[in-house]
Amino acid sequence: DQQVKQNSPSLSVQEGRISILNCDYTNSMFDYFLWYKKYPAEGPTFLISISSIKDKNEDGRFTVFLNKSAKHLSLHIVPSQPGDSAVYFCAARETSGSRLTFGEGTQLTVNP
Amino acid sequence: NAGVMQNPRHLVRRRGQEARLRCSPMKGHSHVYWYRQLPEEGLKFMVYLQKENIIDESGMPKERFSAEFPKEGPSILRIQQVVRGDSAAYFCASSADSLNTEAFFGQGTRLTVV
Repeated sequence: DQQVKQNSPSLSVQEGRISILNCDYTNSMFDYFLWYKKYPAEGPTFLISISSIKDKNEDGRFTVFLNKSAKHLSLHIVPSQPGDSAVYFCAARETSGSRLTFGEGTQLTVNP
Repeated sequence: NAGVMQNPRHLVRRRGQEARLRCSPMKGHSHVYWYRQLPEEGLKFMVYLQKENIIDESGMPKERFSAEFPKEGPSILRIQQVVRGDSAAYFCASSADSLNTEAFFGQGTRLTVV
């Protein structure tokens, strides 16, 4: 039962353009969402998060949007840079818990 | 302030041997989480520990796997009698609070069972 899904295994964009990574979830008890970035042979690095009481959170080039009614969130990176090339994981946490449930990841490639 | 430290980075074990994976959380963090990533998959939660206590082990396989976080020293994930299916990347994360609003991950231990 995949409660957090990232349907696009890969995404390729040109440098300077916008990257949009999508994530869907099924568990209504999720109230906190996070995005992690992962390079090969390294651990995930926290990028940005959003609470379910908000619909948008922005940090520099990174913006996360949350649509609770659709159970959908997205990460926007603008402008995209070659150094952004990595696997991006969406994760969610339940109201009463501490464990994170991860999506399968999306490989982002930013071409110079 | 050192980050989450995991060792070894790579571990090769023969089928039937034991694997011990270590995790030292960030300074000041008393909450530790273990995740496993199988090839081509996302990270799967295994266990959540605080000092000397297992809080949530709902993601741990029922047999051969155990975890501890003693009062002194690192957290240990122990896999007895390893099988090929245990081959994966094992990540440890730590946080300062139980809300886990920003868990910091280690670089992982790549376990290969031959």
